[in-house]
Amino acid sequence: EPEVTQTPSHQVTQMGQEVILRCVPISNHLYFYWYRQILGQKVEFLVSFYNNEISEKSEIFDDQFSVERPDGSNFTLKIRSTKLEDSAMYFCASRWTSRTDTQYFGPGTRLTVL
Amino acid sequence: AQSVTQPDIHITVSEGASLELRCNYSYGATPYLFWYVQSPGQGLQLLLKYFSGDTLVQGIKGFEAEFKRSQSSFNLRKPSVHWSDAAEYFCAVEVSSNTGKLIFGQGTTLQVKP
Repeated sequence: EPEVTQTPSHQVTQMGQEVILRCVPISNHLYFYWYRQILGQKVEFLVSFYNNEISEKSEIFDDQFSVERPDGSNFTLKIRSTKLEDSAMYFCASRWTSRTDTQYFGPGTRLTVL
Repeated sequence: AQSVTQPDIHITVSEGASLELRCNYSYGATPYLFWYVQSPGQGLQLLLKYFSGDTLVQGIKGFEAEFKRSQSSFNLRKPSVHWSDAAEYFCAVEVSSNTGKLIFGQGTTLQVKP
């Protein structure tokens, strides 16, 4: 069965550094998402991406965050200058097309900011 | 405001016993509802979803859920729990038909006693 993959599984960085989290969505999917889960809290929506542009973003997704689909297969989340509060599990998800299609989630990247 | 509440943070049941995980949502329109399960080190896996029609939906691994509009609930059930069902369970509602944005509940951790 096709699956969403994410790399790395765990990333440790110093505060103020830039990080890029990578995702490979399922190949024929058209909608892409990033969510995050701070330890002990809810899974929160960050951003949705369709047709090479952001279709919706949350209040969390400020100017420090950006997303890109650089080569038609990868989907990346960049945090320009990490803060301690960015420490979380980041999940990528993808969906084929219509609303009734399932969002498939990757295993997540645990980001630790020191 | 749109929200999902899972009142039980942690539940322990004996293997073979029945299970019900509660989920209440707040959403103005007809909700699209989901249950996801997360095992340690794994991504979020879809158990079942409700879009319309029959309010009792069947999912994978022997799970079912019932949508009750009058109670704004979408409780997950399983008649006989297996040790492998120990995981974290998330209820979610899709709040944007254009983007597929999901709002998640806090999650319920299920522990299964032998």
